Amino acid sequence: AQSVSQHNHHVILSEAASLELGCNYSYGGTVNLFWYVQYPGQHLQLLLKYFSGDPLVKGIKGFEAEFIKSKFSFNLRKPSVQWSDTAEYFCAVNGDGGFKTIFGAGTRLFVKA
Amino acid sequence: DSGVTQTPKHLITATGQRVTLRCSPRSGDLSVYWYQQSLDQGLQFLIHYYNGEERAKGNILERFSAQQFPDLHSELNLSSLELGDSALYFCATGEGSTGELFFGEGSRLTVL
Repeated sequence: AQSVSQHNHHVILSEAASLELGCNYSYGGTVNLFWYVQYPGQHLQLLLKYFSGDPLVKGIKGFEAEFIKSKFSFNLRKPSVQWSDTAEYFCAVNGDGGFKTIFGAGTRLFVKA
Repeated sequence: DSGVTQTPKHLITATGQRVTLRCSPRSGDLSVYWYQQSLDQGLQFLIHYYNGEERAKGNILERFSAQQFPDLHSELNLSSLELGDSALYFCATGEGSTGELFFGEGSRLTVL
C-alpha cells in the first residue's frame, strides 16, 4: 500500500528565509509525485509534479522539488519565502498510475513578515 | 478556478441526519474523486469513480456512499451523521492515469 510521510507538521519562518519541507513515500513501483498548496480558506492547488526525467522539478511561485529515488523522497524547497507563502503544503503520491492519489498529513507554513 | 464545482459550500446539520454533497467535474473529465479533510485525520481518500463505475475505495465509512451519474456529476451521501463527520469534503477530477488532481472548493459540513 502507498503511504506518504511529511516530516514537519508546523514550520515558522521569517520572510527571505529558505524553506525545505520533507516528504517520504512508501511504494515499491513507479510513482508520480506531487506537491499541492492550500492557502487559507481555499482549495488545494497543484504546486509542482514529477512523472519522469529530470529529478529536479520546478513549479509555480519559485518552488522546486527534488526526487531522490534511493531515499524515496520528494522534498520541497524555496530559496526565499514570502509572507504570501503562508499556507498548508501537501505531498502526494500516485503509484503505477493507480486509481487513488494518497496525501501526506500536510505541513502548515507560517511566514512572519 | 479548477473547473470543478461543488455544492453546497457550507452545510450545518444535526447528528443522525443525512446530507448529500454534489460535485460536477471539469468538462471532459470522466473521473471523480472524493476526499475528506479534517483537523485530526488530514486529507483522506474516500472513493473514486470513473465514467459511472467505482474504481477505488479508501477510508470510506459504511454510512457514506457515493455514485456517479450518466452526466458525470457525482454525489456523496452521508447518513446517520456523527459529530466526528464534521469536515471539509473535497471533490477532485483527474488528469488521465497520472494521478494529478484538480480540486473543487469543497463543502464544509458541520454536524451539531
